[in-house]
This record gives sequence, C-alpha cells and structure tokens, in this order.
Amino acid sequence: DSGVTQTPKHLITATGQRVTLRCSPRSGDLSVYWYQQSLDQGLQFLIQYYNGEERAKGNILERFSAQQFPDLHSELNLSSLELGDSALYFCASSVGQHSGANVLTFGAGSRLTVL
Amino acid sequence: DAKTTQPTSMDCAEGRAANLPCNHSTISGNEYVYWYRQIHSQGPQYIIHGLKNNETNEMASLIITEDRKSSTLILPHATLRDTAVYYCIVRPYNNNDMRFGAGTRLTVKP
Repeated sequence: DSGVTQTPKHLITATGQRVTLRCSPRSGDLSVYWYQQSLDQGLQFLIQYYNGEERAKGNILERFSAQQFPDLHSELNLSSLELGDSALYFCASSVGQHSGANVLTFGAGSRLTVL
Repeated sequence: DAKTTQPTSMDCAEGRAANLPCNHSTISGNEYVYWYRQIHSQGPQYIIHGLKNNETNEMASLIITEDRKSSTLILPHATLRDTAVYYCIVRPYNNNDMRFGAGTRLTVKP
C-alpha cells in the first residue's frame, strides 16, 4: 500500500458518458498528479495540482478536467467518453510542488473501460 | 528538455547484477536523472535520482558518466520481482511534470 488511494479500481461505461475518478494523496503530501496509460500511448502526464492550485498541464483533453479540494483529495472528470479513453488512470502525490525535487508516490490506478 | 534513449528490452539472470543503460546526450546543467520502474500494470515506483555524482540506496545504484551524457542503473542482485519496465527520465529539479518515455522492459529469468 503506497498510501495513495484511488477509486474506483475498475469502471466500465459507455461512449458519451461522464465519469469521475478520485484520488486521496499520501498523508502530508500537497501535490497531486494525474497520468493516463493506454496500450499505444504509454504513460502520459495529464495535470498537476499543488495545494489546490493547478501547477502544470500536460496532454489533457478539453473533455477532461480536474480539481484539488481543500482536504487535498483530487478528482479527474472525464466527459463525452470515447473508446480511445479506455486506459489506466494513475494518480501520484508528492510533498512539494516540484516533481523533480520530490519523490512521486503512485496509487494503484483506476482502470476505465469505455464500451 | 533532454531526451533519453533506452534499450527496448533486456534480460538478466536471477541473482546477477542488472545494468540498465540510458543515453541523455543533450542533458542540461540543471537537469537531474531519475529512475522509476513499473511492475506490470501497477503504479510506477521511484528508484533513485542523481545530478552528477554516483548515488546508491537500498534499491539500486546510479552511475552517471563524467560528461553526464549517459547513466546506468544497477540492480546488484536481481530477483524475479525486479521484472518490470524501467524508466529513465531527465528533468530539471524544479519541474512540475515528470514525463515518462517508453522505458526498458527488464525480464529477470530463473
């Protein structure tokens, strides 16, 4: 158990639907990072939050959005789902805002299947 | 950002040292070398990082060449549980987006 909790572990939904993935960071960590891993794309950085504020944005689609709440948990919202959104979604957390200066601790991931 | 080049796959015998190379010939002075690994479909796991000096921790050793254009991750006594994809990443220390490439798939064989 890494201390980073992601729910749900598995999710099956249909095209056009909307889902929310949740991440609780390790106790004491202020940064949350979201990554997408599909078979043909590898591990792609989506977005990072530090203490409630967006700090870095990667290859995140406009149909996707995220936020970090005052209790530091984060949610990744995926809307108008397409077949290609099927992937493992990982959340990571770190103490500080710089992923280089701080070790990233990853959760077990949420596996999304879009049918 | 510096690009890294890693072999697609490698094999290692159980109990032997696994030496995973990484080329980063365009590395800048403020960029560190990071290694993470991902065991099948699990979340990536941090291994080690360094700037210019060799580093060692309980998991591995990191050897960085003097010109910093390449590095080697050493797992001193590989076990079957070390079978994973190993990612070499070069990023500035104060970056906010750790980005993963394709990595090296290491298979430890009995």
